Amino acid sequence: KAGVTQTPRYLIKTRGQQVTLSCSPISGHRSVSWYQQTPGQGLQFLFEYFSETQRNKGNFPGRFSGRQFSNSRSEMNVSTLELGDSALYLCASSLAGTGEAFFGQGTRLTVV
Amino acid sequence: AQTVTQSQPEMSVQEAETVTLSCTYDTSESNYYLFWYKQPPSRQMILVIRQEAYKQQNATENRFSVNFQKAAKSFSLKISDSQLGDTAMYFCAFLRGNGANSKLTFGKGITLSVRP
Repeated sequence: KAGVTQTPRYLIKTRGQQVTLSCSPISGHRSVSWYQQTPGQGLQFLFEYFSETQRNKGNFPGRFSGRQFSNSRSEMNVSTLELGDSALYLCASSLAGTGEAFFGQGTRLTVV
Repeated sequence: AQTVTQSQPEMSVQEAETVTLSCTYDTSESNYYLFWYKQPPSRQMILVIRQEAYKQQNATENRFSVNFQKAAKSFSLKISDSQLGDTAMYFCAFLRGNGANSKLTFGKGITLSVRP
């Protein structure tokens, strides 16, 4: 069974640009969550999608957005990038009701 | 809101010995899950062990076991017979058990080094 796949693995962007990250969950998992990991703030929840609907949202500015497709694949978008957006972005997929999340390897975003 | 606290930023243990990582949490929920995740240098988050709050019995997975003290809101991880491959960051995490969300609240993590 394939795990959670995140693409790309690494990205370098310039301030002011926008970026789109992709996450393919484990087959059959309908919940996809996104987290931002930085040395200073640790792991922070961005948002969760379930059956194409945003079910939960963390405390991030509107520049951070996401969506989920009918095949459960999810994308997150960050517009007008700032230096502080440099982080490891992790995606996790879950089977509803199990309370267990499986993580991808993350996308390392560097904003210069 | 839930909070998870890991007060020890770093720990070190000799190979083959036992180490305990501490975690406390705060919540008003009665139904929830607690987890320990491992993040090695590869950055892949790996689930180590999970505990359902309604279960009194402490979870065990091979060399990993927890001491779940619900009244004290404490959830420590014991690693027995430590191996070099256990070197990683370990995160304690909380999940509300209402089935309507998958939002994990993480502690700051602890860096564990296993010495040969």
